[in-house]
Amino acid sequence: GAGVSQSPSNKVTEKGKDVELRCDPISGHTALYWYRQSLGQGLEFLIYFQGNSAPDKSGLPSDRFSAERTGGSVSTLTIQRTQQEDSAVYLCASTGAGAAIQYFGAGTRLSVL
Amino acid sequence: SQKIEQNSEALNIQEGKTATLTCNYTNYSPAYLQWYRQDPGRGPVFLLLIRENEKEKRKERLKVTFDTTLKQSLFHITASQPADSATYLCAPVSSNTGKLIFGQGTTLQVKP
Repeated sequence: GAGVSQSPSNKVTEKGKDVELRCDPISGHTALYWYRQSLGQGLEFLIYFQGNSAPDKSGLPSDRFSAERTGGSVSTLTIQRTQQEDSAVYLCASTGAGAAIQYFGAGTRLSVL
Repeated sequence: SQKIEQNSEALNIQEGKTATLTCNYTNYSPAYLQWYRQDPGRGPVFLLLIRENEKEKRKERLKVTFDTTLKQSLFHITASQPADSATYLCAPVSSNTGKLIFGQGTTLQVKP
């Protein structure tokens, strides 16, 4: 596609449920990032995939959070046993090989009731 | 730990004036630094990149400076317009990991 696509755009869930957020990066981009943005706050780094290297998971806030990237393309961020403090906008970005500029999707707004 | 600081208070200026936004970082030496614009409900959009060996970068009405001694970048918008109203994020990039760390952003409001 022309840009980074994220789905769903909005997700409302009940506390304790699992959710999956999807990111389709720009075709051919080798690096993929997940960020979390709480209301009125900056971007909090979660996880970074670069090619076939082991992902940098240093930003994941707890073991309830995990992410995978299949075939070097689509990525899924999974949050298990959601808590109210998980409510935020989850943003995905991708970059091309050797490039520095990140291209962001519009984000998934997660609301945990 | 690595830390980025941007003006947390919103910046309100009159149309036509120059807006100046500040980004300070501590505890690391980025190879380069990026600035992004974010509008409500949207993802950030890249504006400018400046490398550590560059003092200044310009693009149309935008100018970015990078002072590695002061560990500071300044972002200027000249002849500001109401359409420039948005949140501006700075993101120094680690030379070791290539990972961006974003500041919390400064919200600019340009009044007609």
